[in-house]
Amino acid sequence: DQQVKQNSPSLSVQEGRISILNCDYTNSMFDYFLWYKKYPAEGPTFLISISSIKDKNEDGRFTVFLNKSAKHLSLHIVPSQPGDSAVYFCAASAAPIQGAQKLVFGQGTRLTINP
Amino acid sequence: NAGVMQNPRHLVRRRGQEARLRCSPMKGHSHVYWYRQLPEEGLKFMVYLQKENIIDESGMPKERFSAEFPKEGPSILRIQQVVRGDSAAYFCASSLKGLNTEAFFGQGTRLTVV
Repeated sequence: DQQVKQNSPSLSVQEGRISILNCDYTNSMFDYFLWYKKYPAEGPTFLISISSIKDKNEDGRFTVFLNKSAKHLSLHIVPSQPGDSAVYFCAASAAPIQGAQKLVFGQGTRLTINP
Repeated sequence: NAGVMQNPRHLVRRRGQEARLRCSPMKGHSHVYWYRQLPEEGLKFMVYLQKENIIDESGMPKERFSAEFPKEGPSILRIQQVVRGDSAAYFCASSLKGLNTEAFFGQGTRLTVV
């Protein structure tokens, strides 16, 4: 049961243009969403997050949008740079009744920025 | 201040052997999480530990897998009698306050079972 889905396994964008990565979720209990960036042979690094009480969060070139009614979030990177080439994971968490919060990850989208 | 350190980075085991994966959290962090990433998939939660205690092991396979985080020393993920399907990248993350959302990840251990 894939609760967090990234339906595009890969995305190719021209340098300087906007990259849009999409993520859908099914669990309405999720209340916090994150994007991680991962280079080969490295661990994921936190990029940006958003709480369910917001619909937008911006940090420099990165903006995350949340549409709760559609259970959809997206990451916008503008302008895209070659160093942005990596695998991007969407993750979600819900405050459990008891126990720890767990991150539920999507399958990832491989972003390639072409010079 | 070193980040989350995992070792070894690469581990090759024959079927039936034991695999031990180590994770030293960031300085001051007492919460450790283990995730597994199978090829072409996202990371899947396995277990959450706080010093000397397993808080949540709902993602751990019921057999052959165990985890510990002793008072002194690194957290250990142990896989007994490994099978080919255990081949994956295993990531450890640590956090200060026990909130999974503020966790920092290590570089991972890539386990290959031959």
